[in-house]
Amino acid sequence: GAVVSQHPSWVICKSGTSVKIECRSLDFQATTMFWYRQFPKQSLMLMATSNEGSKATYEQGVEKDKFLINHASLTLSTLTVTSAHPEDSSFYICSVPGPISYEQYFGPGTRLTVT
Amino acid sequence: AQKVTQAQTEISVVEKEDVTLDCVYETRDTTYYLFWYKQPPSGELVFLIRRNSFDEQNEISGRYSWNFQKSTSSFNFTITASQVVDSAVYFCALSDYNTDKLIFGTGTRLQVFP
Repeated sequence: GAVVSQHPSWVICKSGTSVKIECRSLDFQATTMFWYRQFPKQSLMLMATSNEGSKATYEQGVEKDKFLINHASLTLSTLTVTSAHPEDSSFYICSVPGPISYEQYFGPGTRLTVT
Repeated sequence: AQKVTQAQTEISVVEKEDVTLDCVYETRDTTYYLFWYKQPPSGELVFLIRRNSFDEQNEISGRYSWNFQKSTSSFNFTITASQVVDSAVYFCALSDYNTDKLIFGTGTRLQVFP
């Protein structure tokens, strides 16, 4: 069965609104989770590392005030896209490191469309 | 800097043909892991294989095989007797030893025609 879930699987929102995406680790606790973004026909790019109990670590070029990450518990991380614009339309995927070194479990992704 | 290069953007084959997807990586780490993922049209990433830097044995799993050559920093993936269901985008990825972050290649879109 699924190890990582994401909700919602897809969302359409109007420009200027905020959208929250949840990533849940179903099988084990995760002090770290990763958020990736994938534009159409492009590769996955790491946006940030979500850390339970502390601030997220953002990759270069990712606006921390626009992409708010909250690692609320050992099984839940949320990504909020604030004041979304059409250029934020993308496929957002989270991943959870597994208990064995270098294992990664990916969520099914959330497709965001901003109109 | 770490980098993964998948030079083939798109490959088209006819069913039952063999196809090899190339992956070349760069890293200064002596310990690292390499991965292949399949991304069908649904978008969900499907894990195919993980290989650590100390294990250069080639691996075969059904119609899939992987050739890891440290000397050329390559980790190529071959599908034997391809099928239409193999049509997808395939990503090669490299893990960062210190952070577990994955660095993905740009992907190769494979289309298998009946």
